[in-house]
Amino acid sequence: QSVLTQPPSASGTPGQRVTISCSGGSSNIGITDVNWYQQLPGTAPKLLIYSSNQRPSGVPDRFSGSKSGTSASLAISGLQSEDEADYYCAAWDDSLKEVLFGGGTKLTVL
Amino acid sequence: QVQLVESGGGVVQPGRSLRLSCAASGFTLSNYGMHWVRQAPGKGLEWVAVLSYDGTNKYYADSVKGRFTISRDNSKNTLYLQMNSLRAEDTAVYFCTKDLRDYWGQGTLVTVSS
Repeated sequence: QSVLTQPPSASGTPGQRVTISCSGGSSNIGITDVNWYQQLPGTAPKLLIYSSNQRPSGVPDRFSGSKSGTSASLAISGLQSEDEADYYCAAWDDSLKEVLFGGGTKLTVL
Repeated sequence: QVQLVESGGGVVQPGRSLRLSCAASGFTLSNYGMHWVRQAPGKGLEWVAVLSYDGTNKYYADSVKGRFTISRDNSKNTLYLQMNSLRAEDTAVYFCTKDLRDYWGQGTLVTVSS
């Protein structure tokens, strides 16, 4: 069971805006940065957001991240069919001395 | 350009050992924290271990603590994961990643089965 909690699924229609939440605690998201990853079937994860709200070069600005307290969110605007994938959040836990991943959210573009 | 290439996966019996390698190119491995992350078939991502950039700190997931060891060879610019006392639940694709950020290997499959 993941200590970072994500909804198992999310969906939207092309052009819509969807958000995926990641809930943690005071020893992880509350005090450390969050990364977000996109994973297509059979491929390695791809970094979408680092340091909670920073986009690596090459990631479209349709993807944005935010953090408030012990929760973080990934927002995808202007949803496209190629956004259909699994999305994961991750954060360091300073009490456990481990990196925690969320359980993942499967995004379906209807 | 930056590249990470894992190797060493395969089929192994429960209780046996296996060593995974992650050959880095395009950057100096010892300048960065390096992680191993795994993914069991049909499951989510699970962090396994990290080696700090200066080599002084190693941290492990509870599920592998005492059985797995992360290390590196600076002369070969290669990261390793020594896996002992393997269990069926260690079956997964294992990825190495630079700083848990924008560079990941393609993964190597470890199957623990009798």
